Order: sequence, then structure tokens, then C-alpha cells
Amino acid sequence: RKEVEQDPGPFNVPEGATVAFNCTYSNSASQSFFWYRQDCRKEPKLLMSVYSSGNEDGRFTAQLNRASQYISLLIRDSKLSDSATYLCVVPSGAGSYQLTFGKGTKLSVIP
Amino acid sequence: GAVVSQHPSRVICKSGTSVKIECRSLDFQATTMFWYRQFPKQSLMLMATSNEGSKATYEQGVEKDKFLINHASLTLSTLTVTSAHPEDSSFYICSARDIAKNIQYFGAGTRLSVL
Repeated sequence: RKEVEQDPGPFNVPEGATVAFNCTYSNSASQSFFWYRQDCRKEPKLLMSVYSSGNEDGRFTAQLNRASQYISLLIRDSKLSDSATYLCVVPSGAGSYQLTFGKGTKLSVIP
Repeated sequence: GAVVSQHPSRVICKSGTSVKIECRSLDFQATTMFWYRQFPKQSLMLMATSNEGSKATYEQGVEKDKFLINHASLTLSTLTVTSAHPEDSSFYICSARDIAKNIQYFGAGTRLSVL
């Protein structure tokens, strides 16, 4: 299994739709996980951190399944401004501050 | 506003020249900074970990003599791409870890084009 694997997409969804992304990781020792958002030709920006089973912030919900080693990101009521690439990020080891990035899932929200 | 400043944002240079990129943490001290490289439609790949006051730790396959890293203070790390070639053209991004918040903040990136 690759260190961090994501469905590259693209996901093309209409405004208002609900969309979910999955991410699998290989390092079972990882304790925290992150979803970053990267706009075209820009730097990644932290969207959500996931330390336990899940986290919710407004329209965004992240869930963690340690047994299956996957993390999901759910976006409800999609907005045009949500169009971006979403990166699943996993620390490289327990206590490690090095991050391993997935290739990202591209989302396009269509009017 | 930005908490990590990266400069320059864009560089176009001739093959064989050296390019220096600066990464500064603005609101916090960073004993550890990271340098990444991202090719088109690819993920960010960690190149090296920059440690204040000591040598950088390079990832496998990254030439330390080509990508010189200096982390002379708690707020500044520099990456110098020596004798740049067209294959070095990429998007270089730095990050700095805010220990107090346990968050890594990214610079805005430097787009390097070597002609």
C-alpha cells in the first residue's frame, strides 16, 4: 500500500451537492491526520485536523477509521469557492513532524 | 495574514546559475522548517528538514550539495539551488512548525523556471 493514497478525481459536482473523499494510509503508528486545501498554483492551507474519530467544522466533516486506516472528508452544500484540490496529509511516523502528502483529489463545483 | 513568508515568489533564470529562496516565520520561532518540491499534477514531496543551528536532513534521492540549506536563526531558513538546470524547474514550498499550536504553516511557494 502506498503511504498516502487518494482518488485523484476530478470530482465535478453541482452547487449544493454533498461530496466525499477518501484517503488510505499505510503508517499505522500515525496519531494525527490533516486535510489541506490547495488552490491552483498556491500553497496548501490547513482545512481540518483529525486526532480522534472525527472532526466537524461547519459544512466540513472529517472521519477517521483507524482499523481500516482511512480518513474521509465530507463537504455538504458545496459552494463554488470549494473548488480546489484537497490533500490528505499524514505524519511520517509517531511523533514525527514530517508530513507525507497524498496526491490530492481535485474538486470542481459547477454552477 | 501570512505567518510564513517565502521569497521570491517567482524566479526565471538561466541554466547554470544559483537561486536562493528564503523562508521566514513571522509570528513564531521555528527550530524546524521543511522544504518541499511539487511538480505539475504531483503531490508535495519533502526534500529536506531544516534544523536551526545544525545540518539539514535530506530525503533519499535529494542531493545535499545541489540543494544547500541554511537555518541560521530561529525565524529564517534558506534553500539555494546551485547550478540550476531545466529539470530543477518546479514549485518549491517551505513550511515552518509552530510548536505551541502544533500546526505547520506553509509559505506561498516559489515557482522556479530554469531556461
